[in-house]
Amino acid sequence: AQTVTQSQPEMSVQEAETVTLSCTYDTSESDYYLFWYKQPPSRQMILVIRQEAYKQQNATENRFSVNFQKAAKSFSLKISDSQLGDAAMYFCAYRRDDMRFGAGTRLTVKP
Amino acid sequence: GAVVSQHPSRVICKSGTSVKIECRSLDFQATTMFWYRQFPKQSLMLMATSNEGSKATYEQGVEKDKFLINHASLTLSTLTVTSAHPEDSSFYICSASRGSSSYNSPLHFGNGTRLTVT
Repeated sequence: AQTVTQSQPEMSVQEAETVTLSCTYDTSESDYYLFWYKQPPSRQMILVIRQEAYKQQNATENRFSVNFQKAAKSFSLKISDSQLGDAAMYFCAYRRDDMRFGAGTRLTVKP
Repeated sequence: GAVVSQHPSRVICKSGTSVKIECRSLDFQATTMFWYRQFPKQSLMLMATSNEGSKATYEQGVEKDKFLINHASLTLSTLTVTSAHPEDSSFYICSASRGSSSYNSPLHFGNGTRLTVT
């Protein structure tokens, strides 16, 4: 079974600074999707960014970008110019037949 | 964008009763829906995969007779927690996949249901 590992239970960043959240996964598949989701206190799951495994180019969405290393099975999320509204739980997810989530990283943004 | 409606958002029930949670895709047909459970400060754990017109596929350790899933149409899946006990208290989230169940179809999440069993 596929597993997703987020080794940072908590991270903190100063407002306007950059932070990187790490994620590794395990799979024997060659085609799959990877996602980062944000879950604020409301518990709504908000898609931040997604990456297709067969695309070498790293995905970017405004202040959010990923560093996808397929051979290393690594998928980190970089948040630039952090804002107070970025504070939330962040989940890395792997999707093939279903979607599996990592344990999550709680991001705190300090003003 | 695609919208998934989950109802109710909160429910309190007495031990031994059953509770039904609905998950509807409002503007698209959902061939596949996924049900997750989330304990406080923990991740989303996949409970089952629901496919329209067929039996749900349950993850190991999830009791299919306790968590009944019905996906009778392309826009509605229901999760019924039967004979609920306090340990079933949790946050339940559904998600729907538009169109085919292929992994390149994005998932859209409901807002979740907080179940409290007293």
